[in-house]
Amino acid sequence: DAGITQSPRHKVTETGTPVTLRCHQTENHRYMYWYRQDPGHGLRLIHYSYGVKDTDKGEVSDGYSVSRSKTEDFLLTLESATSSQTSVYFCAISAVGASGTDTQYFGPGTRLTVL
Amino acid sequence: KQEVTQIPAALSVPEGENLVLNCSFTDSAIYNLQWFRQDPGKGLTSLLLIQSSQREQTSGRLNASLDKSSGRSTLYIAASQPGDSATYLCAVRDSGGGADGLTFGKGTHLIIQP
Repeated sequence: DAGITQSPRHKVTETGTPVTLRCHQTENHRYMYWYRQDPGHGLRLIHYSYGVKDTDKGEVSDGYSVSRSKTEDFLLTLESATSSQTSVYFCAISAVGASGTDTQYFGPGTRLTVL
Repeated sequence: KQEVTQIPAALSVPEGENLVLNCSFTDSAIYNLQWFRQDPGKGLTSLLLIQSSQREQTSGRLNASLDKSSGRSTLYIAASQPGDSATYLCAVRDSGGGADGLTFGKGTHLIIQP
């Protein structure tokens, strides 16, 4: 599992409230990613990071912000949650795998429900 | 913009059959292609990764092929078992590697009947 944990694993919140999801990795990987998974859409990239304080937008970044103040932590924030942000959120890292090339490994996911 | 399509969306076969899952992508300038397995309510498990310069990769009963010029990959599962039941996802990483995220297909939901 490449030492990736996500917290919380489940969260229910109300529309308009701020929410922060945390991704933590223990193996000092440089690249980290946030994806969301929705029925009918598959997984889509929200934001990614290529180092401490270095982040960039993915395909579906509107309504989300990220921060990476330490190598091991990548935070995803919903400033004002909406029902359309109800989803399963996955964190991933990129590491050299058994094939000898960059491979992405995923965390267990966070199920977020916005009422 | 890269788009990844997986066919079929769902497949149900009896145990013991050999089967093929298909993946196509629109932009052939990829860095690599990865096949994942996802069990219900769980995360993604990486099964096989094929670099753009490779034609195939094998792991146990799984074989993945890549034809970059035609924008296609297949995942072959030999002698299927009920434990193979899961959703299989294909994802491509565009040329350049580095920080690039993956573009995913919507998956093939596979059921192996005992």
